[in-house]
Amino acid sequence: SQTIHQWPATLVQPVGSPLSLECTVEGTSNPNLYWYRQAAGRGLQLLFYSIGIGQISSEVPQNLSASRPQDRQFILSSKKLLLSDSGFYLCAWSIGQGNGYTFGSGTRLTVV
Amino acid sequence: GQQLNQSPQSMFIQEGEDVSMNCTSSSIFNTWLWYKQDPGEGPVLLIALYKAGELTSNGRLTAQFGITRKDSFLNISASIPSDVGIYFCAGQRGGATNKLIFGTGTLLAVQP
Repeated sequence: SQTIHQWPATLVQPVGSPLSLECTVEGTSNPNLYWYRQAAGRGLQLLFYSIGIGQISSEVPQNLSASRPQDRQFILSSKKLLLSDSGFYLCAWSIGQGNGYTFGSGTRLTVV
Repeated sequence: GQQLNQSPQSMFIQEGEDVSMNCTSSSIFNTWLWYKQDPGEGPVLLIALYKAGELTSNGRLTAQFGITRKDSFLNISASIPSDVGIYFCAGQRGGATNKLIFGTGTLLAVQP
């Protein structure tokens, strides 16, 4: 069966520090991968999506970047965090068309 | 990014009551999905709808894909305390990226 792993679960980082969040998927090949941010426990904002290795599309201008070095690995990064980068970050995968996403358990990032 | 209009924003009900929430869009979707998010977790898929007019149930949950393909609703019958959470609708048009457009969420609180 397919599983998605996301870590760490929580992270407190100072302003100006770098960030690396990792997401891996098991049990499937060539998934579409997505990074979402959720602020204040409400709306889900799509940050990045990837349809293949090295293929990254950004949805909104921001202080973050994403990479997909392997088929089932998706990384969210920042060189220098801002206070406004705080939030709940969710990774998700999907395969095929017309299918929903399966989400990871999320990372709660607090920038202080 | 685009979000779907979801209402109500929040609901505070007594255990045993029925709940209804809906989602509308200005454009057509090929798939409608409903997710539930527990506090501190990623959203989990509840129901997926693939055809206009389709009515699908999952236990106490019933969802419908609107005839116009621009709306969907979710009903929860006989609510229980574990129904607490945020419910999101999501629309999908298909295509290579398989992107989901999420609703703004409905926060449900159930008082025992």
